[in-house]
Amino acid sequence: GDSVTQMEGPVTLSEEACLTINCTYTATGYPSLFWYVQYPGEGLQLLLKATKADDKGSNKGFEATYRKETTSFHLEKGSVQVSDSAVYFCALSDDTGRRALTFGSGTRLQVQP
Amino acid sequence: EAQVTQNPRYLITVTGKKLTVTCSQNMNHEYMSWYRQDPGLGLRQIYYSMNVEVTDKGDVPEGYKVSRKEKRNFPLILESPSPNQTSLYFCASRVPGLAYNEQFFGPGTRLTVL
Repeated sequence: GDSVTQMEGPVTLSEEACLTINCTYTATGYPSLFWYVQYPGEGLQLLLKATKADDKGSNKGFEATYRKETTSFHLEKGSVQVSDSAVYFCALSDDTGRRALTFGSGTRLQVQP
Repeated sequence: EAQVTQNPRYLITVTGKKLTVTCSQNMNHEYMSWYRQDPGLGLRQIYYSMNVEVTDKGDVPEGYKVSRKEKRNFPLILESPSPNQTSLYFCASRVPGLAYNEQFFGPGTRLTVL
């Protein structure tokens, strides 16, 4: 079945450092790929998406490129802020009737001032 | 404001005592779903509903029931909770009409079964 693997956390960075959170996937067909963010005490929010190979999703300074050849969707940001501290989930979409999202295990990011 | 609400947000109960976690959305979405989040496992789908009176099992349905009598509500029922159902639960609804699967999530319900 489908699966998503993302790097273990926590990731601790200083403010203005560069961020990369690795995500690779296994899926049949051509899934859509997502990054969701979960701030403390809140539900998940969609951060960015890519629906086909070579698409780049971007939002709030975060970017991720859908790489079909390496089955990857790494999350990057050039300069993190304290407010980016959260848990980040990579996910892929089952575009059949069940419409389930398959999530990675999540990566906690802690940004220190 | 478009939102998915869940109640209660926190619940501590004992083994075997039936409970219901409510979920409601105000966006007229047809598709709704329940997930549980456990450390190191991400979120896993419990049940989903494509529309009123249409529900089906997700990846981890054992020990749970759902119903969908109205479009806006999708309660999760634990008839005889056990400690292995201690988890963080999220309800979600899907934005219709998009080419991709965007889902809105509720704030979560943290359940502890003693």
